[in-house]
Amino acid sequence: SQQGEEDPQALSIQEGENATMNCSYKTSINNLQWYRQNSGRGLVHLILIRSNEREKHSGRLRVTLDTSKKSSSLLITASRAADTASYFCATAASGRAGGTSYGKLTFGQGTILTVHP
Amino acid sequence: GAVVSQHPSWVICKSGTSVKIECRSLDFQATTMFWYRQFPKQSLMLMATSNEGSKATYEQGVEKDKFLINHASLTLSTLTVTSAHPEDSSFYICSAQILAGLTDTQYFGPGTRLTVL
Repeated sequence: SQQGEEDPQALSIQEGENATMNCSYKTSINNLQWYRQNSGRGLVHLILIRSNEREKHSGRLRVTLDTSKKSSSLLITASRAADTASYFCATAASGRAGGTSYGKLTFGQGTILTVHP
Repeated sequence: GAVVSQHPSWVICKSGTSVKIECRSLDFQATTMFWYRQFPKQSLMLMATSNEGSKATYEQGVEKDKFLINHASLTLSTLTVTSAHPEDSSFYICSAQILAGLTDTQYFGPGTRLTVL
């Protein structure tokens, strides 16, 4: 089964509106990260939230984590056309540093966000 | 800081040839590098974990003899796609982790688009 499933698969909004993307996962995690990818480009790290954190903010980004429900959400407030991209959540499995699973990320399927000017 | 480069950014080759992709951490030392593959409109799938000075650890279903990984130094890992076929055409992305255990953040390269004719 796929770790890090996201919804919606695609989201289309107007500039100025808020965008919310959700991510669910199946196994215990050390942390959950959100990345952005512009079409055909590499990934940009947005924010990391650890398993003992519930909410984190960075500029217009707000991430929540509910480990009891194994889910996370990414909120982008006051969206801009430049926010148009694919957004991926990625989970890092819990484990000891140096262990074989440490640091490995499992990516969700992603949400394609389109912000119309 | 924490920049990862990949070379080449794109490559077109004939079926049956081998292609080498380089991943470099430009301003930090990376004990661990990861190689991902991304098909169009899909998420990233981890192929292998590369640790400096040791053999790479491949994910289930990834042929180690086809995708040769060498992590010869703390700033360079290479992925060689041997005897490439059209189904190997994909976007290959590497990431680098600074001194695993001290930080959870991976820094991603810009990706290499491989097209096999």
